[in-house]
Amino acid sequence: SQKIEQNSEALNIQEGKTATLTCNYTNYSPAYLQWYRQDPGRGPVFLLLIRENEKEKRKERLKVTFDTTLKQSLFHITASQPADSATYLCALGYTDKLIFGTGTRLQVFP
Amino acid sequence: DTEVTQTPKHLVMGMTNKKSLKCEQHMGHRAMYWYKQKAKKPPELMFVYSYEKLSINESVPSRFSPECPNSSLLNLHLHALQPEDSALYLCASSPDRVSYEQYFGPGTRLTVT
Repeated sequence: SQKIEQNSEALNIQEGKTATLTCNYTNYSPAYLQWYRQDPGRGPVFLLLIRENEKEKRKERLKVTFDTTLKQSLFHITASQPADSATYLCALGYTDKLIFGTGTRLQVFP
Repeated sequence: DTEVTQTPKHLVMGMTNKKSLKCEQHMGHRAMYWYKQKAKKPPELMFVYSYEKLSINESVPSRFSPECPNSSLLNLHLHALQPEDSALYLCASSPDRVSYEQYFGPGTRLTVT
């Protein structure tokens, strides 16, 4: 069956450290993968998009990698801040649809 | 204007009521989406409109009826809903349907009593 799993339901880290979130998928061949941030009671906000022929993308303190052999994407937030605390969702672009992963709730402590 | 607006923010309705959710964007996007999100779960795609035509219906029950009156507006008409339909309903738009980031509205929190 098709699955998109994010490494853990919750991740707690100290301010200033690098947060690494994992997105694994099975039985999909996505053309691209996106990462979104969602705060409680609000809609997701787009962060980064990476295509199947790209290995890495960066935007300010954010970095995403995409390994189609391992069927995995890693999302890094460097120099994390308490304001980065939110749920982060990966989403696969597949057959003209966006299919969301289970999400990881990140908590950054001062 | 890079905003997707949704009204109402909250809606409580009985199982026999008829109501509508509204979504609007003025970014010139040609694809619009409805998602349903239950608590602590990811958004689930319901419908996709591309160039004002329904292009994807994810086998959604007929008690949910989408409508796209023009390129800026998207409605979701609700009728005879069940309590399990209570959720956050999210609207999104993107420049086109394929491989573009989606801009989400704040959602409508629907409670069916």
